[in-house]
Amino acid sequence: RKEVEQDPGPFNVPEGATVAFNCTYSNSASQSFFWYRQDCRKEPKLLMSVYSSGNEDGRFTAQLNRASQYISLLIRDSKLSDSATYLCVVPPGGSYIPTFGRGTSLIVHP
Amino acid sequence: EPEVTQTPSHQVTQMGQEVILRCVPISNHLYFYWYRQILGQKVEFLVSFYNNEISEKSEIFDDQFSVERPDGSNFTLKIRSTKLEDSAMYFCASSTTPETQYFGPGTRLLVL
Repeated sequence: RKEVEQDPGPFNVPEGATVAFNCTYSNSASQSFFWYRQDCRKEPKLLMSVYSSGNEDGRFTAQLNRASQYISLLIRDSKLSDSATYLCVVPPGGSYIPTFGRGTSLIVHP
Repeated sequence: EPEVTQTPSHQVTQMGQEVILRCVPISNHLYFYWYRQILGQKVEFLVSFYNNEISEKSEIFDDQFSVERPDGSNFTLKIRSTKLEDSAMYFCASSTTPETQYFGPGTRLLVL
């Protein structure tokens, strides 16, 4: 089983839609979880950390399910500018060195 | 807003040549990293650097790679004898704590 797995997509949604991505991880000892955003040919940028109690930042909500070993990202009221690849990052337990997923591509169209 | 900078933005080199990729981390950051991303693939960790020494490195970071912090501001990645498969985007990142890393815009390396 791969360390961090994501559905590559693309998820093609209209503006205003709600869209959710999941990411599964294999290391049960992992303690930190993150979502990054990467625009085409650009650097990854930290979108949000994922806490045990969940985390909300405006239109974005991240959740952690330890029992099933996945994290999710929910985007409400999608904007054209949300079009990007969303990277799930899960450092293995005992380390902060990120293990990146391959990313989920989101395309928001008018 | 302070940001990580990298030079050059693009580098083309011949196989077997040495390249040095340069990064200027954010000034008060203590942790420094190099990653690479081969076109169409995921971001891969290469090495982390803290307190003037390598703290962790991946299997990719073999003897052809080295890192230096030659002065108070620069952080460099040297690839001694480049191979075709070294062609990738190389990202530098820095942070005050290991968790929240800020990435530079990357250097696109093409080995011919």
